[in-house]
Amino acid sequence: SAVISQKPSRDICQRGTSLTIQCQVDSQVTMMFWYRQQPGQSLTLIATANQGSEATYESGFVIDKFPISRPNLTFSTLTVSNMSPEDSSIYLCSVNRGLVAFFGQGTRLTVV
Amino acid sequence: QKEVEQDPGPLSVPEGAIVSLNCTYSNSAFQYFMWYRQYSRKGPELLMYTYSSGNKEDGRFTAQVDKSSKYISLFIRDSQPSDSATYLCAMSPNDYKLSFGAGTTVTVRA
Repeated sequence: SAVISQKPSRDICQRGTSLTIQCQVDSQVTMMFWYRQQPGQSLTLIATANQGSEATYESGFVIDKFPISRPNLTFSTLTVSNMSPEDSSIYLCSVNRGLVAFFGQGTRLTVV
Repeated sequence: QKEVEQDPGPLSVPEGAIVSLNCTYSNSAFQYFMWYRQYSRKGPELLMYTYSSGNKEDGRFTAQVDKSSKYISLFIRDSQPSDSATYLCAMSPNDYKLSFGAGTTVTVRA
């Protein structure tokens, strides 16, 4: 398994502002993943963060909107930029052990 | 058509009942199948993990995979109020990218 600490756990933000979410893992991992979980919808992969290289974004997600940092093998941040109410969602950090994903507790974001 | 379909429920059952959850999928390349449980305001936690077709049992939980029908199931026997959660199916071909169902919300009434 993996212990993943994510913060903040929740936040309410004004539209047009940005929020940075932090993710800390208890052991070194090559890849860290960021997901979005919207009400009633599947978890959607936003991007894969590799240490020492640019993040790889999935279709529909762009770096300008969701910049990601990966400064070392146990830490990553996801920024939600220029937020709108449509960005209200749960954002989850994840790492794999083999092919099985383990998740942080999530960040519940509300944009008003 | 979504790659993974899961009935969102909600599903409400009395304590002690059998809970039956299922997902269908369209990608025949999927080989690894997982069930996650997510309590309110928590991240998903792995419940069951199976490879290819067949059954797997772990305590009160049984996971079934029928690749010929592209259908997976999770059964919870002797359900308890603590089983009240959202259950997500997930699957993968042979790499790290998982495809998730939308989740089924289950309530077990005491």
